[in-house]
Amino acid sequence: NAGVTQTPKFRILKIGQSMTLQCAQDMNHNYMYWYRQDPGMGLKLIYYSVGAGITDKGEVPNGYNVSRSTTEDFPLRLELAAPSQTSVYFCASTSGEKLLFGSGTQLSVL
Amino acid sequence: AQKITQTQPGMFVQEKEAVTLDCTYDTSDPSYGLFWYKQPSSGEMIFLIYQGSYDQQNATEGRYSLNFQKARKSANLVISASQLGDSAMYFCAMREGGTGGFKTIFGAGTRLFVKA
Repeated sequence: NAGVTQTPKFRILKIGQSMTLQCAQDMNHNYMYWYRQDPGMGLKLIYYSVGAGITDKGEVPNGYNVSRSTTEDFPLRLELAAPSQTSVYFCASTSGEKLLFGSGTQLSVL
Repeated sequence: AQKITQTQPGMFVQEKEAVTLDCTYDTSDPSYGLFWYKQPSSGEMIFLIYQGSYDQQNATEGRYSLNFQKARKSANLVISASQLGDSAMYFCAMREGGTGGFKTIFGAGTRLFVKA
């Protein structure tokens, strides 16, 4: 039982590049989330999923895409990276009443 | 619309004293959950305490208690006997909907500094 696993931990992208942030959980949780945290700020919800095949937009979905083909995996796709997407990205799943977070991905777009 | 407000960007407290971190919320959903998370300088998100909208009593977890005032739509976190290790960012969060999921949104956070 590894909890919520995010990869990579750090990444530097050039403007216009694309990448996928990976998130996996082995606890059979239906609900999964992607958040971003800008320096000194709170977490903003990007996308969430209530089960395989079902996703919905959060507070700040522009510039991102998600898919949920399996219960375990919830990847976040950045198609055309922009400097405004420099942030720390957290994936989370629901464990009982609380959110269980991954360790985060620090992304810089230069 | 779902909204969480934390109005204290930073707070100072003397070691061993109690401190209250403020949180107000807005929702039209009668079923919701309120949470507090701690984020130390290492960056991880640590769950502290949960309060359901139908819970009659205020939640407590060790030195943490949640002062839930439903009519005022406030969910303040009280930390008793502060310790140096309590220095961190604290986030209030709210989840609308039933148990186990739906959207959870966060406030802007309060940075707590514990003085020796």
